[in-house]
Amino acid sequence: AQSVTQLGSHVSVSEGALVLLRCNYSSSVPPYLFWYVQYPNQGLQLLLKYTTGATLVKGINGFEAEFKKSETSFHLTKPSAHMSDAAEYFCAVISGNTPLVFGKGTRLSVIA
Amino acid sequence: GAVVSQHPSRVICKSGTSVKIECRSLDFQATTMFWYRQFPKKSLMLMATSNEGSKATYEQGVEKDKFLINHASLTLSTLTVTSAHPEDSSFYICSAPPPGTNEKLFFGSGTQLSVL
Repeated sequence: AQSVTQLGSHVSVSEGALVLLRCNYSSSVPPYLFWYVQYPNQGLQLLLKYTTGATLVKGINGFEAEFKKSETSFHLTKPSAHMSDAAEYFCAVISGNTPLVFGKGTRLSVIA
Repeated sequence: GAVVSQHPSRVICKSGTSVKIECRSLDFQATTMFWYRQFPKKSLMLMATSNEGSKATYEQGVEKDKFLINHASLTLSTLTVTSAHPEDSSFYICSAPPPGTNEKLFFGSGTQLSVL
């Protein structure tokens, strides 16, 4: 069965600094990988996804993630944090026809 | 793109009452919808898979008599929390995959349930 591990339940960065949110997965078949963002009291919004092809994927709001099969990782990055990036971020995986499995989430705080 | 509408966004109810949450696919037909619950520690857990015209499939540990799911049409699935208790307070999110994909990309805006 697939699983997702997000390292760090809370990450704090300064405005303008690099954002790095870590995600590792386990899957017995080639996975589809996703990053979702959840703003307070709102539903989930897709940031980006990897299915096949290019391993570096770009998403909305300047975020990107790189699928590294050898490391079973799909870390989310953004070169320069904005205050508006403060939110909860979820990594998720699908393999085959299984339902989406989420990580426990990482809360990103951005300090002025 | 495909839109999934979830209603209500927030509900407060008394213990013992029932609450119905609706999930609608607005511009596509969804034979399958998924219901997730977000626990206080923030992980999202799949509760059940709603299938149009047939019984829902519940994940292990989810009480089917407490969380009633009805998928009466290709655009509407409902989750009813029956005889709600404070421990049912949570954030519930539905998701409907567009036809021809299992990527399950489209989520409702979620419902925050608070049981007093």
